[in-house]
Amino acid sequence: QVQLVQSGAEVKTPGASVKVSCQASGYTFTDYYIHWVRQAPGQGLEWMGWLSPKNGGTHYTQNFQGRVTLTRDTSSNTAYMELNSLTSDDTAVYFCARWMVRDNYHYGMDVWGQGTTVAVSS
Amino acid sequence: AIQMTQSPSSLSASVGDRVTITCRASQGIRIDLGWYQQKPGKAPELLIYAASFLQSGVPSRFSGSGSGTNFTLTISSLQPEDFATYYCLQDFDSPLAFGQGTKVEMK
Repeated sequence: QVQLVQSGAEVKTPGASVKVSCQASGYTFTDYYIHWVRQAPGQGLEWMGWLSPKNGGTHYTQNFQGRVTLTRDTSSNTAYMELNSLTSDDTAVYFCARWMVRDNYHYGMDVWGQGTTVAVSS
Repeated sequence: AIQMTQSPSSLSASVGDRVTITCRASQGIRIDLGWYQQKPGKAPELLIYAASFLQSGVPSRFSGSGSGTNFTLTISSLQPEDFATYYCLQDFDSPLAFGQGTKVEMK
């Protein structure tokens, strides 16, 4: 079946980096964008950026001031989100989700990963 | 950047009630808006895309409307499994933006 499977929980110290993976299966990886969204404890959803698996193109929200990098490995159908210079404010659940645009219609984020908890603490 | 203003932030309702949630965009976004449901500890789920199109498998009691700057999600008859938090998301332009969320609680 169509699914996105994310890597496991991470515990990091302030200043460190984290790299979360999102492996796609059940569909053609390059047909859909991958978006990354995070949710701090008790808070709403925050969009981080998107990746085009077809050509590696990316777009990030300025909120992260260049700390986030999205990449992919088409040989393993895996997308990655790396976040640097972590602070306690980066403690959150990180989600990947696929998204399609076709014929100028935006089809929404219809499949989501299960989420990866990243805890930042000294 | 486009801002999304969602209201109300929370509401109390009973099973069988009609529930309406609204989102307003700070500028026109055509119909590029989706609605998502999230339950505690779970990933969000897509309910509506392109403002009014029902995602496959989503019950027909959910509906969406609007275009431009004003959008509405309606649950025609609230069911026990619908108590959750709902978010709108504009995907017209980057950076994408979520509304603040609406928590639907049992009265």
